[in-house]
Amino acid sequence: KAGVTQTPRYLIKTRGQQVTLSCSPISGHRSVSWYQQTPGQGLQFLFEYFSETQRNKGNFPGRFSGRQFSNSRSEMNVSTLELGDSALYLCASSPAGTSSYNEQFFGPGTRLTVL
Amino acid sequence: EDQVTQSPEALRLQEGESSSLNCSYTVSGLRGLFWYRQDPGKGPEFLFTLYSAGEEKEKERLKATLTKKESFLHITAPKPEDSATYLCAVRRSGGYQKVTFGTGTKLQVIP
Repeated sequence: KAGVTQTPRYLIKTRGQQVTLSCSPISGHRSVSWYQQTPGQGLQFLFEYFSETQRNKGNFPGRFSGRQFSNSRSEMNVSTLELGDSALYLCASSPAGTSSYNEQFFGPGTRLTVL
Repeated sequence: EDQVTQSPEALRLQEGESSSLNCSYTVSGLRGLFWYRQDPGKGPEFLFTLYSAGEEKEKERLKATLTKKESFLHITAPKPEDSATYLCAVRRSGGYQKVTFGTGTKLQVIP
């Protein structure tokens, strides 16, 4: 079974630009979560989608948004990039049906550098 | 607010020197506690899920245990390839709850 894939793997942007990251979950997984990982803060939860609906949202500004498509693939968008947005962005998928809310499987991440 | 605290922040062991990593958590109703391993530049790799106090799970040289306030990841006779950052996370029970991660323990095993 193929794992979680994320594209692109590396991205360099300048302040003020916007960026879109993509995540394809493990086949059959319907939940996709996004995390931001920085050396100082560790993994910070951004949001979770299940069946195209946002189920949870972390404490990030509105510049961070996401969506999920009918095939469970997900995208996240960051508008008006700031230097502090430089981080590893991780996507995780889970079967997460109504009664199986269990472990998540992570992709390799997208390394975003904002100059 | 759920909280996860991991200690120590970093640990250096000689090959074969067993030790334990600690994960203390505060959550009102635990649905699951998770352990992950993360290698540099990669996404976390799932290791274990523990659901209730007293539960134990093992995988090769790793054994995870759970009490009502903390979890331990015991590493027996570690090898250099066990070097990684080990992350602990919790999910609260009740509805659709997010997962809260600790900041991890960076383990280095010296040959």
